[in-house]
Amino acid sequence: EAQVTQNPRYLITVTGKKLTVTCSQNMNHEYMSWYRQDPGLGLRQIYYSMNVEVTDKGDVPEGYKVSRKEKRNFPLILESPSPNQTSLYFCASSFTGRSYEQYFGPGTRLTVT
Amino acid sequence: GQQVMQIPQYQHVQEGEDFTTYCNSSTTLSNIQWYKQRPGGHPVFLIQLVKSGEVKKQKRLTFQFGEAKKNSSLHITATQTTDVGTYFCAGSSSGSARQLTFGSGTQLTVLP
Repeated sequence: EAQVTQNPRYLITVTGKKLTVTCSQNMNHEYMSWYRQDPGLGLRQIYYSMNVEVTDKGDVPEGYKVSRKEKRNFPLILESPSPNQTSLYFCASSFTGRSYEQYFGPGTRLTVT
Repeated sequence: GQQVMQIPQYQHVQEGEDFTTYCNSSTTLSNIQWYKQRPGGHPVFLIQLVKSGEVKKQKRLTFQFGEAKKNSSLHITATQTTDVGTYFCAGSSSGSARQLTFGSGTQLTVLP
């Protein structure tokens, strides 16, 4: 089944404790992206990647890191999480041709206390 | 930076009534996409518009892209309870086609 998976789905952590949210897709998509969703703000793009070893900042990259060492994986790293990073995070992927149809993962709800 | 405004934020309709949500961008867009997110779910791609003045239909849904490529709308005819959810537009500029800016969404409630 074609899908984007994220782990963990739920995470409660404390300020400053490094964490990684994994994202994996099995559709051989070149493009992958991370978003955060906050009430009233819609989805905001954090980072995106056009292909392996190619990453770019979105609208809200501060406090986050990403890497794209393999085509299928695009982990999101929070080196020192803070309470303002409490949010619902979505990973998405797509091909890089004419269609920009993105497939989203199920989301990761992160709480930083 | 690029901003995409979406209105209304909320819309309650009786089943069978029509519904429209609007997006306006501060800059000219190279394309605009529309997504639907059911309560508790993830966004699901509906459509992409690329050409100036483009109109596309999917059953009861009609999508339009403005002539100046700065605004777009989604119209649902004769809403059904299955239309419940939040509808988002997302646009990218020609300078960075994959840097997407989402509107804040319109949350649609359909009353039976």
